[in-house]
Amino acid sequence: QVQMQQWGAGLLKPSETLSLTCAVYGGSFSGHYWSWIRQPPGGGLEWIGEIIHSGDTNYNPSLKSRVTVSLDTSKNHFSLNLRSVTAADTAIYYCVGFKPPNWYFDLWGRGTLVTVSS
Amino acid sequence: EVVLTQSPGTLSLSPGERATLSCRASQSVSTYLAWYQVKPDQPPRLLIYGASSRATDIPDRFSGSGSGTDFTLGISRLEPEDFAVYLCQQYHRSPTTFGQGTRLEIK
Repeated sequence: QVQMQQWGAGLLKPSETLSLTCAVYGGSFSGHYWSWIRQPPGGGLEWIGEIIHSGDTNYNPSLKSRVTVSLDTSKNHFSLNLRSVTAADTAIYYCVGFKPPNWYFDLWGRGTLVTVSS
Repeated sequence: EVVLTQSPGTLSLSPGERATLSCRASQSVSTYLAWYQVKPDQPPRLLIYGASSRATDIPDRFSGSGSGTDFTLGISRLEPEDFAVYLCQQYHRSPTTFGQGTRLEIK
């Protein structure tokens, strides 16, 4: 049974960098791809980006210039950095996993509410 | 990117009734479509993938159909725990995208 635990700062000021980390317990870390998805208040889900065990990444074009997803295979962790945040980045951020080549998400973290406010 | 439009925005039904939810894609996504159930303070739960395959431990009262641009999620015999928000996701074209959701509420 795979479990995912995520953490990071929940309150940021505009222009700061959002940083979240997700730990994966149980299951096959290298057998999955790992993504970040966010949901703004009252809004729908937005896929942010993904990373595979080789370190290759793929990002949503709408966020690509500000996003970095990284991997620490020694700890079964993966992380999200989103630079230069604004109020529009206020959202619940989920770490998620999926088993390639199927790009639907069957593993979800509990979510972290990140608020950007001056 | 592929835009998914879900309808209706809100569906009011009673327990025991059947729910039919729609998801329409702005271009063909073949059968690369998934459905999720979202409840307050919980992460989304995968219900259906490949347009019609139920995920692990999903009751058979949930069914999915469709291909191309038009998809349907059916829930027969609504149970109290089925009242939630339902989202569709296409994963045929990058970036993967989600619909805005249908809220299923108790009438």
